Parts: sequence; structure tokens; C-alpha cells
Amino acid sequence: QLVLTQSPSASASLGASVKLTCTLSSGHISHVIAWHQQQPEKGPRYLMKLSSDGSHFKGDGIPDRFSGSSSGAERYLTISSLQSEDEADYYCQTWGTDIQVFGGGTKLTVL
Amino acid sequence: VQLLESGGGLVQPGGSLRLSCAASGFTFSNYAMSWVRQAPGKGLEWVSSLSGSGSRTYYADSVKGRFTISRDNFKNTLYLHMKSLRDEDTAVYYCAKEGSTTGCDYFDSWGQGTLVTVSS
Repeated sequence: QLVLTQSPSASASLGASVKLTCTLSSGHISHVIAWHQQQPEKGPRYLMKLSSDGSHFKGDGIPDRFSGSSSGAERYLTISSLQSEDEADYYCQTWGTDIQVFGGGTKLTVL
Repeated sequence: VQLLESGGGLVQPGGSLRLSCAASGFTFSNYAMSWVRQAPGKGLEWVSSLSGSGSRTYYADSVKGRFTISRDNFKNTLYLHMKSLRDEDTAVYYCAKEGSTTGCDYFDSWGQGTLVTVSS
């Protein structure tokens, strides 16, 4: 079964960096995923598409502070030079035959 | 790209509702489109996808047989027809553009959502 697992919460200080993790279920570790950001009371926003080799394709206007990387079943979203507006929920998403899957989301708090 | 949802509101259990998503800023017929929902305080849940041509549909098990996705490529509009609504269908419903024409791909644009409340 295609499942994405995310930690429910993360925190980091203003100006620091944070690395969020999305883990693919066994048997699906080569899947491409996408990262989305949802700021409070807003609709989601596409950040990037991330492949198993770490190559990523960012959406229009996404700052260079956002980057992606991969290792095995893990897909990472790194945000550097954290700003207050980065406080948001972050979701990973993947897809299979006739199905779309979201991770449970990580709530990022900027201290 | 702009996606503007409408049609949400309060509906009784067992009732029906039709959501619309008006799209602009891209060649609508070239891309698959989807509906994703978010219950209050919960995460994102995929609902349904439709290929660019409208020939292929995909549904989450939770809505199969009750919801129907459709599109009008002349009006650049996506629809979600919902019937036999349940309390657990209460959510903000988002329209999302996919990155390809076939369906079941990444979402590269999102609307702002429309709230559906199912309650007596």
C-alpha cells in the first residue's frame, strides 16, 4: 500500500534552517513526490516536485531558500534562513495507478 | 493560473450539491484536474481526478458511487457533483491543476477552496 509518513510537528528558530522528512512506504521508495505549503487560513501552494535522485522542479516564485533532497525512501524539504511566513503546514504528495496520496502533514513553528 | 471554486454551502445529510471551479491562465483541456478536501482541523484528502479530455476518472474509495467529477473544456470549468452527503463530507473543497493531461500526477496549482457543511 502506498503510504507517506510525516512527523506531525517541527520547530526551528527565525533565521535558522529546518529539514522536514517524508517517508515512502516499502515497495515504493523510487516514487516521485511533491511538497506543498499551506499557510494558516489559506489554500495549499505547490513548492516542488522531487525525484528519488534528489532532482527537483520548483513552482513559480518559490524562493531559493526552499530545496529538496532524497535518500532511499526519504524525501526531504529543507528551508533555510527561516522567516515568520514559513510557519505553515507542509504536505508531501505522491501518486500511483488511479490514486493520489498525501502525507499527514508537518506543522512547522518558527520560534 | 487562477482557479476559483464556488458552490459550497450548508446541506442536510443525504442531500446533494454541485461545486464548480473556473479556471484561467492556461490551456484547460491540456491538463488533468482534481478535487482535494480538508475537514476542519485535518489534513489534505484527495477526492477525485479527471483527465484533460474527460475520458478518465479516478475516485477515492470514500466517495466512489456518491460523487461525480466532470468538466466542460469550452467553459474552462471543472465540476464535482456530490450526492448522498454525509456528516464526514464536511470540509473545504479545493480545486487543483495537475502537471499532466492523463491524471494522477502532482498538483502544481491550487484554488482557495469552498466550504461544504453537511448538517441537519
